Amino acid sequence: AQSVAQPEDQVNVAEGNPLTVKCTYSVSGNPYLFWYVQYPNRGLQFLLKYITGDNLVKGSYGFEAEFNKSQTSFHLKKPSALVSDSALYFCAVRGNSGGYQKVTFGTGTKLQVIP
Amino acid sequence: DSGVTQTPKHLITATGQRVTLRCSPRSGDLSVYWYQQSLDQGLQFLIQYYNGEERAKGNILERFSAQQFPDLHSELNLSSLELGDSALYFCASSARDRYNEQFFGPGTRLTVL
Repeated sequence: AQSVAQPEDQVNVAEGNPLTVKCTYSVSGNPYLFWYVQYPNRGLQFLLKYITGDNLVKGSYGFEAEFNKSQTSFHLKKPSALVSDSALYFCAVRGNSGGYQKVTFGTGTKLQVIP
Repeated sequence: DSGVTQTPKHLITATGQRVTLRCSPRSGDLSVYWYQQSLDQGLQFLIQYYNGEERAKGNILERFSAQQFPDLHSELNLSSLELGDSALYFCASSARDRYNEQFFGPGTRLTVL
């Protein structure tokens, strides 16, 4: 069975500092990996995805993520955090080993950017 | 605006009642997903439909059911409601291929009193 782990419930970072939100996964075959962001009282919004190709994926709002196959990780990063980045971030994975495989979401990491 | 619409935005009802949540996917999207989000359970996948057919089931209770209609809109029916069913219910849609991201609606906040 596929799974996603977001080991940190909350990440605090000072405004202007780089941020990292961690995600590791377990899946059969090659993974499709996604990051979503959720602002208070809103639905999730797609940030970026890894399908194939370059391990560094760039997405919305200056975010990027690095796919590391050997470590089965897909950490979300941003060089300089903004207070407006404070939100709940979800990592998700979908397998690609044939047949139908659903998307599995992580438990979410709350990012708090401190002014 | 994701293009996914959900109605109603808020719903307050009593235990034992039945409610129906409605979702219209983005134009052209064939897949619809339903999720439940609560403080203690996080984001839980309930069920997915693809072009009218049930595609995958997650942690959906037997008291809950869903369907997708020929015009691709979907409804989630919750019956014999309990206090613990109070949550945000999200609908999402995606295009056909498995590598496509999901687009989430604004959610329906259900409060069971």
